[in-house]
Amino acid sequence: AQSVTQLGSHVSVSEGALVLLRCNYSSSVPPYLFWYVQYPNQGLQLLLKYTSAATLVKGINGFEAEFKKSETSFHLTKPSAHMSDAAEYFCAVSALNTGGFKTIFGAGTRLFVKA
Amino acid sequence: DSGVTQTPKHLITATGQRVTLRCSPRSGDLSVYWYQQSLDQGLQFLIHYYNGEERAKGNILERFSAQQFPDLHSELNLSSLELGDSALYFCASTSFLYPNTGELFFGEGSRLTVL
Repeated sequence: AQSVTQLGSHVSVSEGALVLLRCNYSSSVPPYLFWYVQYPNQGLQLLLKYTSAATLVKGINGFEAEFKKSETSFHLTKPSAHMSDAAEYFCAVSALNTGGFKTIFGAGTRLFVKA
Repeated sequence: DSGVTQTPKHLITATGQRVTLRCSPRSGDLSVYWYQQSLDQGLQFLIHYYNGEERAKGNILERFSAQQFPDLHSELNLSSLELGDSALYFCASTSFLYPNTGELFFGEGSRLTVL
């Protein structure tokens, strides 16, 4: 069984400050892990993904995430927040089963960026 | 642009009515996933089709049904609509290329409002 927990439904940072969005997962098989971003009135788009290669994954717009198996975590970071980063972020875990890939999403974290 | 197209973008209807949402996956993709996004339930997996066959069911109500046609487009039918069915309905497809990691490509969604 898979599950995803995102800590904090809302995170607020100042422009230029560090962004840290937390995600913990559980999976009975080696997972693929993803961060998706959703801007207002848009669909979700991929930020980055972990597919069992490097544990530190770099994505678009300066975001990166580190897979830590011992902590079952996949936290998303960005050194310096920009106003355009304001959006909702979803952590997801995916695993292949008999019916195909099953993807479970976290509840989402809304990021606010203050000027 | 993810390459996944959904119509209509917005739909307003009354309780008890029936609506059909349409999705065309990316060119070449055989899988179609349907998700429901609401404020209280988050992003919920409804159903997955692969090359015309149902592969997995999630939290899909009996009043809802879906199918995937030979040209690979999919339709989600929602009937006997209730106020609580108001939500964003997303369609997503996964790559047919190897290796497939379960990365989802989302459409922009259909926003259903039931009055």
